[in-house]
Amino acid sequence: AQSVTQPDIHITVSEGASLELRCNYSYGATPYLFWYVQSPGQGLQLLLKYFSGDTLVQGIKGFEAEFKRSQSSFNLRKPSVHWSDAAEYFCAVGAGYSTLTFGKGTMLLVSP
Amino acid sequence: EAGVTQFPSHSVIEKGQTVTLRCDPISGHDNLYWYRRVMGKEIKFLLHFVKESKQDESGMPNNRFLAERTGGTYSTLKVQPAELEDSGVYFCASSQASWGYGYTFGSGTRLTVV
Repeated sequence: AQSVTQPDIHITVSEGASLELRCNYSYGATPYLFWYVQSPGQGLQLLLKYFSGDTLVQGIKGFEAEFKRSQSSFNLRKPSVHWSDAAEYFCAVGAGYSTLTFGKGTMLLVSP
Repeated sequence: EAGVTQFPSHSVIEKGQTVTLRCDPISGHDNLYWYRRVMGKEIKFLLHFVKESKQDESGMPNNRFLAERTGGTYSTLKVQPAELEDSGVYFCASSQASWGYGYTFGSGTRLTVV
């Protein structure tokens, strides 16, 4: 069965610093991979997705993620974090017909 | 375009009571999904409707949970009787296509069973 591991429950980053959130997946076939963000009081918003092709994927809000098959990873990056990026981030793998398997999430705190 | 609407946003009920959560998908979206996040755990799939039919209900935890989607529009998720372990955030999502994971999620209903 597929699974997603986000090893960091909380991460604190200074505003303006770079960010990398880790995600490892386990899936028998070629994965469909996603990053979602949830800000307080909001729904889950799709940041970016990988289906095939270029392994470096650009998303909204200046985020990018790189698919590394050899490491079963799909880490999320941003070169310069803004205070508004403080939120909870979820990595997910697409499995089956159209359902998603999520990781436990990483809470990002941004310090001034 | 209105997004996916869920209500109530919060619900606190006593163990043994019944609660009904509602989800209004984006108009025209045939596909509707329910997910749940229990505190400290992953967001987990519960079920998938295509119009009014249940396409996949493999994630429903037990028979205390009943989901319906009358007329293929809004959906309800009823928990009867509620148990403490049912506490969590219940997310609804909808999509136009059945494939491609093009979901739009609602902001969720936080259910607390005391």
